[in-house]
Amino acid sequence: DQQVKQNSPSLSVQEGRISILNCDYTNSMFDYFLWYKKYPAEGPTFLISISSIKDKNEDGRFTVFLNKSAKHLSLHIVPSQPGDSAVYFCAARVDSGTYKYIFGTGTRLKVLA
Amino acid sequence: KAGVTQTPRYLIKTRGQQVTLSCSPISGHRSVSWYQQTPGQGLQFLFEYFSETQRNKGNFPGRFSGRQFSNSRSEMNVSTLELGDSALYLCASSLNRAETQYFGPGTRLLVL
Repeated sequence: DQQVKQNSPSLSVQEGRISILNCDYTNSMFDYFLWYKKYPAEGPTFLISISSIKDKNEDGRFTVFLNKSAKHLSLHIVPSQPGDSAVYFCAARVDSGTYKYIFGTGTRLKVLA
Repeated sequence: KAGVTQTPRYLIKTRGQQVTLSCSPISGHRSVSWYQQTPGQGLQFLFEYFSETQRNKGNFPGRFSGRQFSNSRSEMNVSTLELGDSALYLCASSLNRAETQYFGPGTRLLVL
């Protein structure tokens, strides 16, 4: 049972345009959401997070939006740069005292110069 | 501050053998989690250690085990290796259990 889903395995965007990566979840007990970026042969790098009590968090070119009623999370990158080309994972934390993290399967973003 | 380190970075084993992977967390971090990444499967949670105790376990067979030492360093062991165990094994550390996890570069295991 995949509780965190990234339905788009890949995405191509022109440099300078907006990249929107999406993530859907099923468990209403998730209390904290994160996005990680992963380059080949490296571990995931933390990008940005959002608590379930907020609907938006911004950090430079990266903004994460949370729509709890739709159980939907999105990451906006503006403007997109070639160095943003990587695999992006969304993750959700289960707050049942276990602090377990569930990851999506990832979306490969390619920013075209 | 140094990041999460994992050793070895690459490993080749044959079926039936066992393997031990090591993870050194960021200094001061007390929680260590392990994940398996295979193509198309994302990151699958293996287990989490905090204060030398396993706090969480994922849906993996008993061949997968781990431990944490008093200095927060952690090891995971896979016994009786199978071809399907070929994967990237990632270790992540966090200050405490509720904090953001930071990942190491991973150990790529190939089972022949």
